[in-house]
Amino acid sequence: DTGVSQDPRHKITKRGQNVTFRCDPISEHNRLYWYRQTLGQGPEFLTYFQNEAQLEKSRLLSDRFSAERPKGSFSTLEIQRTEQGDSAMYLCASSLALGGRIEQFFGPGTRLTVL
Amino acid sequence: AQSVTQPDIHITVSEGASLELRCNYSYGATPYLFWYVQSPGQGLQLLLKYFSGDTLVQGIKGFEAEFKRSQSSFNLRKPSVHWSDAAEYFCAVMRSGYSTLTFGKGTMLLVSP
Repeated sequence: DTGVSQDPRHKITKRGQNVTFRCDPISEHNRLYWYRQTLGQGPEFLTYFQNEAQLEKSRLLSDRFSAERPKGSFSTLEIQRTEQGDSAMYLCASSLALGGRIEQFFGPGTRLTVL
Repeated sequence: AQSVTQPDIHITVSEGASLELRCNYSYGATPYLFWYVQSPGQGLQLLLKYFSGDTLVQGIKGFEAEFKRSQSSFNLRKPSVHWSDAAEYFCAVMRSGYSTLTFGKGTMLLVSP
């Protein structure tokens, strides 16, 4: 299967701990996106990369959130000093921004629970 | 700012009956339009998309959607619903020239026997 993968699928942590999630996009895709989905809501955009460049990060929820894509392949999303309000599903998507093909393909998500 | 409205939080349809899920967007120009489906505990799967041209678009799993510019709507339809269609459906828009999706709050589809 060559779809978007995310690891871990579930993460339970205590308030104040740091967590890191990984996303592996579809191999030929040059854009990678992070979204957050809370209960009863649609996904909310956080940040995205084109290759290794982070093109939009103003929508990251606070300075506790950061993302990297160091070699233009996989990406990590880190949340420092987690709070209970960070509990959500974190979704990663990728797309091939060439020739008008802008569809985003989503991974299964990482469900974060902060106790 | 653009917004997407899915007015129905829940819809229950009998198996074999037709389905229409509503989506309205608020944006000055015509954006790109998408429908995604999310099964419990899963990520989102793209059902169909509209960029330009024919306003009736066909998607996977027998779904179709019609773009109506005058109503700023992009409603999803299926002529005969199957029990496996029970899931949450999200409408999303992307402004032309931009790369990020704005989603509605979703409509949960329940299928009764």
